[in-house]
This record gives sequence, structure tokens and C-alpha cells, in this order.
Amino acid sequence: GAGVSQTPSNKVTEKGKYVELRCDPISGHTALYWYRQSLGQGPEFLIYFQGTGAADDSGLPNDRFFAVRPEGSVSTLKIQRTERGDSAVYLCASSSRQGDEAFFGQGTRLTVV
Amino acid sequence: GESVGLHLPTLSVQEGDNSIINCAYSNSASDYFIWYKQESGKGPQFIIDIRSNMDKRQGQRVTVLLNKTVKHLSLQIAATQPGDSAVYFCAENIMSGAQKLVFGQGTRLTINP
Repeated sequence: GAGVSQTPSNKVTEKGKYVELRCDPISGHTALYWYRQSLGQGPEFLIYFQGTGAADDSGLPNDRFFAVRPEGSVSTLKIQRTERGDSAVYLCASSSRQGDEAFFGQGTRLTVV
Repeated sequence: GESVGLHLPTLSVQEGDNSIINCAYSNSASDYFIWYKQESGKGPQFIIDIRSNMDKRQGQRVTVLLNKTVKHLSLQIAATQPGDSAVYFCAENIMSGAQKLVFGQGTRLTINP
């Protein structure tokens, strides 16, 4: 595709359930980022992949959050035992090389009820 | 800690006037700054960036000014148009060679006809 694609666009889940959020970066982009944006706030860094490996996961809030990028392209953000405080828009971005401009997807709006 | 903030949460301007959006940052070691535009339901869109070895950079209808002495960043939009209505974020890149960004809370720009 022409841009970063995130699926689903919206996800409603019950407290305690497990969710997976998917990101398809721009083809050929080696760097991939996950951010989380709460209502009325700016995005907050979660994790950064360079290729298949997580180069920096210092933004993940706790061990319920995990992300993978097994083939260096598509990435999945996984949240276990969801809590209402996890409700937010989860944004994915990719860039062609380290340090180059990052292009954001439209985000996945997660609502935990 | 590292943080980026904005002086004004909302800004209303008349169509055709110039807009100025301000931002303060706290990490004096940061050397790369970016302005993003975010429309409702979309991810942040890159507008313009500036490195710390510059104090001004111009794009199409936009200018970014950087004052490292007082750690202040501003975005100027010339001849504001209805399509400029959005939330604007400044972001500070805190990782050399990657896009690990610290965003401010944002300024909502509304255009009056």
C-alpha cells in the first residue's frame, strides 16, 4: 500500500481479554515504531524495531504489553489482560532508515469496557 | 525529565491571517525537532523539521523557528486556510538515529471564516 496500514481501525474488548493490533508498514521501511495516544494528549513512545529486533522497548508500560515483528515487515502489538486504562489510540509509524522521517498510520482505537 | 509542552491549548484565527503556534522543550541536549499536524481520526502528519544547528527553516507557507537559548520552538503558518484546522504537535527526537519522539500535548487551531 501507499501508506502505513493499521488494523482494525476500532477495537472494543472486555476488561481482562487479550487483543492484537496489527501494523503494515510502508514497503521497504526497516524501522517501525509503536506509539500510544490518550484522549487530548500527544502520542507516547512504546517500542521501536529496526528490522526484526526490538531496538528500544523502554516505553512499554508493563509486561502485559508485547510486540513482535518476526519477518521485519508486519508488526503486531499484543496486550494481555486488558484494563480500562489501556483505552487509547495505538499508532504505528515506519521510516526507511534510522533517523529518517517517520510516516504514521491512522491508528487503532482501542476501547476496554 | 524530558518533556515537550505547548503554551496554548487552543488558537482561533481568521482565514487569511498568519498563525503562530508555540512550544517549549526541556531537554537541552535534543538536536532535532518536528512539527506534526493531526486531523480528527488520522495519524500525525509531518509538516516541517529543524535541527539544532539552525534557527529558522521555511517550507511551503510554514516556517519553524528555534531558540535554543530559551528552549523554545514555534510554527508559523502564513495565510491560514480552512484546511489548516487541526491539532498541531511539536515533537522532540531524543534518540539519535531513530524517531523516538517526545510529543507535546498539542494546540488545536481553528479557522474563523
